[in-house]
Amino acid sequence: DQQVKQNSPSLSVQEGRISILNCDYTNSMFDYFLWYKKYPAEGPTFLISISSIKDKNEDGRFTVFLNKSAKHLSLHIVPSQPGDSAVYFCAEAERAGGYQKVTFGTGTKLQVIP
Amino acid sequence: GAGVSQSPRYKVTKRGQDVALRCDPISGHVSLYWYRQALGQGPEFLTYFNYEAQQDKSGLPNDRFSAERPEGSISTLTIQRTEQRDSAMYRCASSPPIDNEQFFGPGTRLTVL
Repeated sequence: DQQVKQNSPSLSVQEGRISILNCDYTNSMFDYFLWYKKYPAEGPTFLISISSIKDKNEDGRFTVFLNKSAKHLSLHIVPSQPGDSAVYFCAEAERAGGYQKVTFGTGTKLQVIP
Repeated sequence: GAGVSQSPRYKVTKRGQDVALRCDPISGHVSLYWYRQALGQGPEFLTYFNYEAQQDKSGLPNDRFSAERPEGSISTLTIQRTEQRDSAMYRCASSPPIDNEQFFGPGTRLTVL
């Protein structure tokens, strides 16, 4: 059973508008959540994270919100730019013996239309 | 600087053959991870190395899969007697001693005919 679910496989947004990517999880025993961004023919690259003790983390145009009661996570990108077009993976991470054990979602493909 | 590199980028093999996939982590990164990514899915954890020690191999699907990192740098993931269901993208990631952020390589696309 998928522990981290991204129910929208794709999303199209007009340039300048807000992109909202959603993620639901089942496992409450995590240390933090991560968002990764992936361009075609490249590996995923880390974008932003949020600790389990926080409900919001902001980095420039990117903000992640964590709603623990709903077991829901969202990534907001505002304003969206064409260069943001990529696949976004939500992931939960546990610190296990000094390393990071990560469970990824299935990804959401974002297309930002100029 | 150089990122994580993987070779080959593409591998096509016949069912029953053995394959070896190589990962060159970023210099100085002590942690190394292997993932498998099926089409339309996210990366799935296979195994983890701290230097040369394989500390977690809980994600390896069966005993046909093995990995090594003998000198604490380059790692090899070996799949013996490949099957069609092994077809996937195999990704390697490394991370530095303090920061747990994982840096991913471009992956090896394995196709088993």
